Amino acid sequence: KAGVTQTPRYLIKTRGQQVTLSCSPISGHRSVSWYQQTPGQGLQFLFEYFSETQRNKGNFPGRFSGRQFSNSRSEMNVSTLELGDSALYLCASSSGQIQETQYFGPGTRLLVL
Amino acid sequence: AQTVTQSQPEMSVQEAETVTLSCTYDTSESNYYLFWYKQPPSRQMILVIRQEAYKQQNATENRFSVNFQKAAKSFSLKISDSQLGDTAMYFCAFRGSSNTGKLIFGQGTTLQVKP
Repeated sequence: KAGVTQTPRYLIKTRGQQVTLSCSPISGHRSVSWYQQTPGQGLQFLFEYFSETQRNKGNFPGRFSGRQFSNSRSEMNVSTLELGDSALYLCASSSGQIQETQYFGPGTRLLVL
Repeated sequence: AQTVTQSQPEMSVQEAETVTLSCTYDTSESNYYLFWYKQPPSRQMILVIRQEAYKQQNATENRFSVNFQKAAKSFSLKISDSQLGDTAMYFCAFRGSSNTGKLIFGQGTTLQVKP
């Protein structure tokens, strides 16, 4: 079974621009969670989508948004980029059951100049 | 608020030796799930082992085992017969039963296995 895939793997943007990141979950998984990883703040939960609905949300500003499609693929959008948004963005998929393990993709490294 | 603390930022161990990574957490929930993930230099997050809070028996996966002390809210990872490929950052993570899809991570412990 193919793992979680994320595109693009690397991205360079400038302040004020917006960016869209994509995540394709493991086949059959209906839940996708997004995390931001930075050296200063560590790994922080952004949000979770399950069956095209946002089911859980972390403490990030409204500039961070997401969506999920009927095939469970998910996109994350960051508008009006700031230097502090430079990070590794990880997505993880699971079946959506509370007891199930999340499996992570390779991440998208975003650099904001 | 639920928190996860890893008090050892860096550790090193000789190849073939045993090492234990510490993790403590804070929660008021009685049912939850605990995980150890490994992140090698490639940055791919890989599941090492998981533990359900309602299970008294400590989880084991080959060379990896945990010491789960629910009353003390402690969840340490023991790596036996350390291998060079174990060199990575290790994250302890918590998920409450009421918080779907959300893992709370510790700050991580960088482990170096020396030949």
